[in-house]
Amino acid sequence: SYELTQPPSVSVSPGHAARITCSGVALPTTYVYWYHQRSGQAPVLVIYEDTKRPSGIPERLSGSKSGTLATLIISGAQVEDEGDYYCYSTDSSVKDWVFGGGTKLTVL
Amino acid sequence: QITLKESGPTLVKPTQTLTLTCTFSGFSLNVSGVGVGWIRQPPGKALEWLALIFWDGDARYRPSLKSRLTITRDTSKNQVVLSMTNMNLVDTATYYCAHRPDDDSGYFYFDHWGQGTLVTVSS
Repeated sequence: SYELTQPPSVSVSPGHAARITCSGVALPTTYVYWYHQRSGQAPVLVIYEDTKRPSGIPERLSGSKSGTLATLIISGAQVEDEGDYYCYSTDSSVKDWVFGGGTKLTVL
Repeated sequence: QITLKESGPTLVKPTQTLTLTCTFSGFSLNVSGVGVGWIRQPPGKALEWLALIFWDGDARYRPSLKSRLTITRDTSKNQVVLSMTNMNLVDTATYYCAHRPDDDSGYFYFDHWGQGTLVTVSS
């Protein structure tokens, strides 16, 4: 089955930029989505179609993609940005939709 | 305002069939492109997409679980039901239902989620 690979954890100092990566062989031809999940809460969509930001999501969150690697960038990280981040995408057949293993972001 | 809420048993026995209901408001499942899906998350683990049903009844399933899953909709009640057969211990998870927006991409993504319901499989 298709897999997306994320680093298990990322740490960043408040006000600095954090980058969370997601790799997958089908990413050159498929969209990637990013979700943020705080402890005990449901996931929230923060980036869709590689780079678009839903209404209400802070501008400090942005997405990029190059080849098989997608990146979520949090510029000027704040304590409220802590939590787990998941990338989400599909294989080239657009049938097997998967989440990455998740990245725990710590702001300290 | 779009809201979704999951309901169903909190405890099921191994080999039993799990039936979960998603009751939603703030959108219509009769609108072209709209869908409702199910995603689960075992305790301390990653999210896993399970199934999605579109406004026209087209149902899609996670390939590895397709034989165990059935998703249906009742547009008159604003409900979507997920059934999963032959439950086992590894199916213990929080189950979420979520809204797929009415865009033309055909992609299975979700922009609003329910709060989730924890289902434990135990004898």
